[in-house]
Amino acid sequence: DAGVTQSPTHLIKTRGQQVTLRCSPKSGHDTVSWYQQALGQGPQFIFQYYEEEERQRGNFPDRFSGHQFPNYSSELNVNALLLGDSALYLCASSWCGVNTEAFFGQGTRLTVV
Amino acid sequence: QKEVEQNSGPLSVPEGAIASLNCTYSDRGSQSFFWYRQYSGKSPELIMSIYSNGDKEDGRFTAQLNKASQYVSLLIRDSQPSDSATYLCAVENYGGSQGNLIFGKGTKLSVKP
Repeated sequence: DAGVTQSPTHLIKTRGQQVTLRCSPKSGHDTVSWYQQALGQGPQFIFQYYEEEERQRGNFPDRFSGHQFPNYSSELNVNALLLGDSALYLCASSWCGVNTEAFFGQGTRLTVV
Repeated sequence: QKEVEQNSGPLSVPEGAIASLNCTYSDRGSQSFFWYRQYSGKSPELIMSIYSNGDKEDGRFTAQLNKASQYVSLLIRDSQPSDSATYLCAVENYGGSQGNLIFGKGTKLSVKP
């Protein structure tokens, strides 16, 4: 049973560019949440997708957007990259039941230069 | 602003000792609590979840929850050098969706042989 998979694992982008990160959830999971983890900090919730819609959003600007596909996989898009967007981007999958647990993928390390 | 607080450490314990990690949270309505382990450069790995007051044991790990005191802890018995990692406390965002987690900054644990 494949766990949560993310691609790519590493990425270097130039300030002002756009980036797309991808996530495939764990088998049986229907909900995907995205987090940003800066060095030395805990992950911060960006947004969550369920039934192909953004269900909840954290305190992130509109430059951060996403999408969920019918197979539950998801993309995170970041426009107009800033140096401060450099971080580990984590995807977590879960299912929509009660007392559900979230499992993380290996993350995408984004460096903006 | 909902917060999850952890001592950043580092917490250093000798091999075979009990490591005690603590976490407090601000939102009294929170119902679901999690401990993740994160090795340097890797993504968080779920090690314990707890939803009811009291203790929950899983192998060498025991999670303790006291909702009245808004306090969660993790005990690691017979600590091993392989337990050296950052431990993240996560609390489900009450009023948010399942899987919308608020993380502490993590406690770095070092187990000395």
